[in-house]
Amino acid sequence: KNEVEQSPQNLTAQEGEFITINCSYSVGISALHWLQQHPGGGIVSLFMLSSGKKKHGRLIATINIQEKHSSLHITASHPRDSAVYICAVRFFTGGFKTIFGAGTRLFVKA
Amino acid sequence: DGGITQSPKYLFRKEGQNVTLSCEQNLNHDAMYWYRQDPGQGLRLIYYSQIVNDFQKGDIAEGYSVSREKKESFPLTVTSAQKNPTAFYLCASAAGGSYNEQFFGPGTRLTVL
Repeated sequence: KNEVEQSPQNLTAQEGEFITINCSYSVGISALHWLQQHPGGGIVSLFMLSSGKKKHGRLIATINIQEKHSSLHITASHPRDSAVYICAVRFFTGGFKTIFGAGTRLFVKA
Repeated sequence: DGGITQSPKYLFRKEGQNVTLSCEQNLNHDAMYWYRQDPGQGLRLIYYSQIVNDFQKGDIAEGYSVSREKKESFPLTVTSAQKNPTAFYLCASAAGGSYNEQFFGPGTRLTVL
């Protein structure tokens, strides 16, 4: 069964804390996508990666292809980081298909 | 500004009525997608289109229909055959190719009364 599992489901942090959100998947993938969904519902693309590590501001995404695992890190968290973070994997099965994780709800307290 | 627009943001419908959700993009993207989001679940693919005048069923197409008459537009109709239509609907688009990042619209929240 093709699955994408995210952990934790919910996360509350104090402003300034280092945050890690994990994503595990069960199939070989062509790419993995980290998305951010704000309370209003709009989704913003954070990273798309197929190997190694990417960094943008306070956000860092890593992926380990052999272990089928990716992490999203937020350094020096801020209340404006409060959102749902979604992991999506793109894989080939006769055609390309994307499966989305259920998301990690992050709340950062001031 | 380039982007994807969806309208309306909130939509209420009586049982038994069909309703059409709008999705427009000016990114010149070939591919467009419709997803449904329910609480506690990942996005699920309803329909997708990789080129004008062509579209394919996704994982949960029953009770929905689409058209792709123009590159910029990919409207979704929720028919009365959809048993549980109350959900948040997201439209996305992507450039052609296998390594294609999807860009999402703001979503439409549909509530069936």
